[in-house]
Amino acid sequence: EPEVTQTPSHQVTQMGQEVILRCVPISNHLYFYWYRQILGQKVEFLVSFYNNEISEKSEIFDDQFSVERPDGSNFTLKIRSTKLEDSAMYFCASSEGTGTKGFFGQGTRLTVV
Amino acid sequence: GNSVTQMEGPVTLSEEAFLTINCTYTATGYPSLFWYVQYPGEGLQLLLKATKADDKGSNKGFEATYRKETTSFHLEKGSVQVSDSAVYFCALLTAIQGAQKLVFGQGTRLTINP
Repeated sequence: EPEVTQTPSHQVTQMGQEVILRCVPISNHLYFYWYRQILGQKVEFLVSFYNNEISEKSEIFDDQFSVERPDGSNFTLKIRSTKLEDSAMYFCASSEGTGTKGFFGQGTRLTVV
Repeated sequence: GNSVTQMEGPVTLSEEAFLTINCTYTATGYPSLFWYVQYPGEGLQLLLKATKADDKGSNKGFEATYRKETTSFHLEKGSVQVSDSAVYFCALLTAIQGAQKLVFGQGTRLTINP
């Protein structure tokens, strides 16, 4: 089965530093997403991306966050100046179209110290 | 707004016991419903789904039926195994301007003892 891949699997960064989380969605998918899961809490939607622009974002996705599809294969999430509370598991997902099955990556565990 | 409420965990059962994890939802329209599973140290995996009322999703011995009248999608398994120990998330899918957005419940941690 095709899969979404995320790198790195675990990233440790100092507070205030910029981080970029990388994702390679499934090649024929058109919709891309980031979700996050703070340890022990629910999975929360961050942002959806289609046709090279953000289609929806949550209130969590403030000016410190940005997403980009820099080439035909990667989809990145950037956090400009990390805070302790950004520590979480970040999941990338992609889907072929509306209402179709979304595939999740294995996640990147971000630890801000 | 759209929301999902799951049975509070953790749930601890003995092997071969019957499992039910309750899930109810609030949504406009007719969302698709999902159960995801997260095994220790791993990411989210789709377990099963149902896209319309009265549909039954099933996989690996797990089942859930989309009940519009009770806005529920309870997860059941007749005989659980130790390997079923994981966190289970109920979710609904909404479509916003062509893109989908999953709304997750808070997760239910399941532990199966041998």
